[in-house]
Amino acid sequence: AQTVTQSQPEMSVQEAETVTLSCTYDTSESDYYLFWYKQPPSRQMILVIRQEAYKQQNATENRFSVNFQKAAKSFSLKISDSQLGDAAMYFCAYRSYSGGSNYKLTFGKGTLLTVNP
Amino acid sequence: NAGVMQNPRHLVRRRGQEARLRCSPMKGHSHVYWYRQLPEEGLKFMVYLQKENIIDESGMPKERFSAEFPKEGPSILRIQQVVRGDSAAYFCASSDGNSNEQFFGPGTRLTVL
Repeated sequence: AQTVTQSQPEMSVQEAETVTLSCTYDTSESDYYLFWYKQPPSRQMILVIRQEAYKQQNATENRFSVNFQKAAKSFSLKISDSQLGDAAMYFCAYRSYSGGSNYKLTFGKGTLLTVNP
Repeated sequence: NAGVMQNPRHLVRRRGQEARLRCSPMKGHSHVYWYRQLPEEGLKFMVYLQKENIIDESGMPKERFSAEFPKEGPSILRIQQVVRGDSAAYFCASSDGNSNEQFFGPGTRLTVL
């Protein structure tokens, strides 16, 4: 079974600065998807960014980018120019590439990000 | 273009009562997933359904929990004889089965007194 580990329960960053959230995972599969979700106090799960394992290029979405190291099974999220609205719990998630029951997402325990003004 | 809808948003039950949580997927989506989030934890997969079929229920507790997704109407997660340990946020997600993205609803927070 796949596992996802987020080793930083809490992180803080100054507004306008850059912060990196860590995520490692364990799998024997070669093809899969990785995701970062944001959960603000409203508890709504919001997809931030996704990465296909077969793509070597790191995904980028505006101020959010990832550092995907397939051999090391590492998938970190970098938030540039942090804003107060970025404050939330961030979850890393894994999904198998193949279909069927492998559609389910496996989540890490999350990292609580605080943004200081 | 409504997203995934869940109701109720908050549900309070006393021990021994039944809880019914509803999920209406996004328009055009026929795949539904239920996840549970215990306090201070990440989301844990419970069950994956397509219309009228349970595809994967490997994350469902063996007793008291059941799920359905009928041909018409929302998906229902049913918890019988609730206990305090069932207190959690329950999230539903839907997909069209082709893309790799699941869209989440706002969740139902269940409190068992």
